[in-house]
Amino acid sequence: AQSVTQPDIHITVSEGASLELRCNYSYGATPYLFWYVQSPGQGLQLLLKYFSGDTLVQGIKGFEAEFKRSQSSFNLRKPSVHWSDAAEYFCAVRGGTYKYIFGTGTRLKVLA
Amino acid sequence: EAGVVQSPRYKIIEKKQPVAFWCNPISGHNTLYWYLQNLGQGPELLIRYENEEAVDDSQLPKDRFSAERLKGVDSTLKIQPAELGDSAVYLCASSPGDSRDTEAFFGQGTRLTVV
Repeated sequence: AQSVTQPDIHITVSEGASLELRCNYSYGATPYLFWYVQSPGQGLQLLLKYFSGDTLVQGIKGFEAEFKRSQSSFNLRKPSVHWSDAAEYFCAVRGGTYKYIFGTGTRLKVLA
Repeated sequence: EAGVVQSPRYKIIEKKQPVAFWCNPISGHNTLYWYLQNLGQGPELLIRYENEEAVDDSQLPKDRFSAERLKGVDSTLKIQPAELGDSAVYLCASSPGDSRDTEAFFGQGTRLTVV
C-alpha cells in the first residue's frame, strides 16, 4: 500500500538559515511525488513535483527537492528561509490510480 | 484563469443538521477530488470523479455522506446528518485527467464546524 511519512511534525528555523523537510514514501513502482504548501486558512499550493528524469527538481519560491530511490525519500530544501515561508508543508505520492496520498505535514516556524 | 472555487468558505451548523459544499473545478479538468482534512493532519481522499463517474469512493462514509457531479463539471458534497466529528476542512481539487504528468489543483476549502 502507498504511504507517506513526514517524521517532523514541527520545525523551527531562523530567518536566513537553511531548511530541509524530510519525506519518505512507500510505493511499489516509481512514484509521482509532490510537495504542497498550505498557509493558514488556505488550500494547498504546489511547490514542486517529480515524475521522472533529473532527480533534483526545482520549484517555486526557491525550493528544491531530491528524489532518492535507494532511500525512498523526497526531501524538500531551501538554502535561505524567509519569514513568509512559515506554513505547513505536505509531501504526497500519487500512483497509477491518480489517488494522492499525503503525509501528516510539517509545520514550519520561522524566527526573525 | 480561475482556480478551483469552493463555497462556502466557512459553515457552522448544529449536529444532526444537513450541510452541503459546492465545488467548481478548473475549466476543462475531467478529474475532481474531494478531500477531508482534520486538524493537524494531511488531506484524506473521500471521493474521486472522472467526468461524472465516481471512480473511487471507497473512503466515503456512505451512511451520511453523498456526492454528485452532474454533467461532469460542478460537484456537491453533502453530509446528512452531521456529527460533531465531521468538523474539519473539506478540500476540492481538480486535474486535467488526460495526462499523467500533471498535478492536482486545490481550492481554498470549506471549514465546517459542527456544534
